[in-house]
Amino acid sequence: NAGVTQTPKFQVLKTGQSMTLQCAQDMNHEYMSWYRQDPGMGLRLIHYSVGAGITDQGEVPNGYNVSRSTTEDFPLRLLSAAPSQTSVYFCASSLVQGARGYTFGSGTRLTVV
Amino acid sequence: RKEVEQDPGPFNVPEGATVAFNCTYSNSASQSFFWYRQDCRKEPKLLMSVYSSGNEDGRFTAQLNRASQYISLLIRDSKLSDSATYLCVVNRGGGADGLTFGKGTHLIIQP
Repeated sequence: NAGVTQTPKFQVLKTGQSMTLQCAQDMNHEYMSWYRQDPGMGLRLIHYSVGAGITDQGEVPNGYNVSRSTTEDFPLRLLSAAPSQTSVYFCASSLVQGARGYTFGSGTRLTVV
Repeated sequence: RKEVEQDPGPFNVPEGATVAFNCTYSNSASQSFFWYRQDCRKEPKLLMSVYSSGNEDGRFTAQLNRASQYISLLIRDSKLSDSATYLCVVNRGGGADGLTFGKGTHLIIQP
C-alpha cells in the first residue's frame, strides 16, 4: 500500500496566487486532516474530515478551503497565498477516530514570496 | 496555558543510557494519547499509543496520569538511531476530530 500520498513535495508561489495541495490515501480511512508545521511551533490543525462530504475547521482554518468528495482524496486549497502561509503541510489519515493515531504523508514544503 | 507542553531540550544523552520525557496537556476532554517521532524534515511517525494502565514496546515505556494530565515516555538502552524529536500528542476530544501536538522534545544520542 502507498499509504498517504501528498503532491507536490515542493512549491513556490507568488503572493496572491492560488493552488491546491493534493492528498490521497489508499487505506480506506474515514478520518483525514491537514496540519501545518512552522519553526518553533507544534503541528497545527487546519481542517479535518470525518468522512466523504463532511468537513470541519481546525485551529488555523483562515485562508484555506477543503472538500471531501471521495473517501480517498482530501485536497487543501489556498485561495490567495500570503507569505504567512509559508510552511510545511502534512496530510494525515486514520481508520478510527483518534484511537489508533494517524498516518502522515511526507509533506509539502510551500514557500510564498 | 498551552494545550500540550513539553520541554524542548535538547537532551544530550550517551548511548546506552535511559532517558525520560514528560508532557502535560490541558484539555480534560482528550481521550487518546500518543508519542510520535519526527526525524529532521520528515513526517511524524507514530511511536506508540499511551494507555492509562501504562504500556511498553521493546525499549519504550509510556505512562499516562489522567488526574494530573501528564504523559511520560521512557527510553531504555538508547541507540544512536533514537536521535529525533519526540512529539507528545493528544486528540482534541469533545466530539472534534484531529490531534493537538506539543512542540516536541529534541533528543541527541551521543556515541
